[in-house]
Amino acid sequence: ELKVEQNPLFLSMQEGKNYTIYCNYSTTSDRLYWYRQDPGKSLESLFVLLSNGAVKQEGRLMASLDTKARLSTLHITAAVHDLSATYFCAVNPGANAGGTSYGKLTFGQGTILTVHP
Amino acid sequence: GAGVSQSPSNKVTEKGKDVELRCDPISGHTALYWYRQRLGQGLEFLIYFQGNSAPDKSGLPSDRFSAERTGESVSTLTIQRTQQEDSAVYLCASSLERSKPQHFGDGTRLSIL
Repeated sequence: ELKVEQNPLFLSMQEGKNYTIYCNYSTTSDRLYWYRQDPGKSLESLFVLLSNGAVKQEGRLMASLDTKARLSTLHITAAVHDLSATYFCAVNPGANAGGTSYGKLTFGQGTILTVHP
Repeated sequence: GAGVSQSPSNKVTEKGKDVELRCDPISGHTALYWYRQRLGQGLEFLIYFQGNSAPDKSGLPSDRFSAERTGESVSTLTIQRTQQEDSAVYLCASSLERSKPQHFGDGTRLSIL
């Protein structure tokens, strides 16, 4: 059974600081997603990471994937208040999982990020 | 609006009643997913439809839960004899096909009294 663990679960940051959220998963995967969720809202797709060593950046957020370590990171640079939200990673089991497992996302618990002035 | 549409946005009902939640996927998306999100938690997979294939029902928590999809369009999630632990936000997502990114609707917030 695929397990996805994020840490930290709660992150309180000051504006201007840097920090990293970690996402570990337990079995082979061929793609990993990062989503953002604002309170009372649905999920917004941030990044899709498809291969080992993949790195994607959008504004102050940068995501990377190490498939050998089964680890993805979401790095926040010079945080601003607008980044306050819950961040989820989600893993799609590898194509080798076959059958109907492929496409079924398993989500981490989420990291609640609060950025203070 | 070309996004995933869910209705109702909020539903409050008494324990023991049946509820039906609706999802309109993005046009042309063959894959449709239902997830449940309890307060302060991540998303739990419930059920997944891909084209005309048999749905993957492996995430449904009990036989009180069922879902249908008409072709590649609307899906309904039905919960019979609701219990208080069914209170959650039910999110629907769709994708072009199962290897493509999933686009989420705004969810239905279900409260069982």
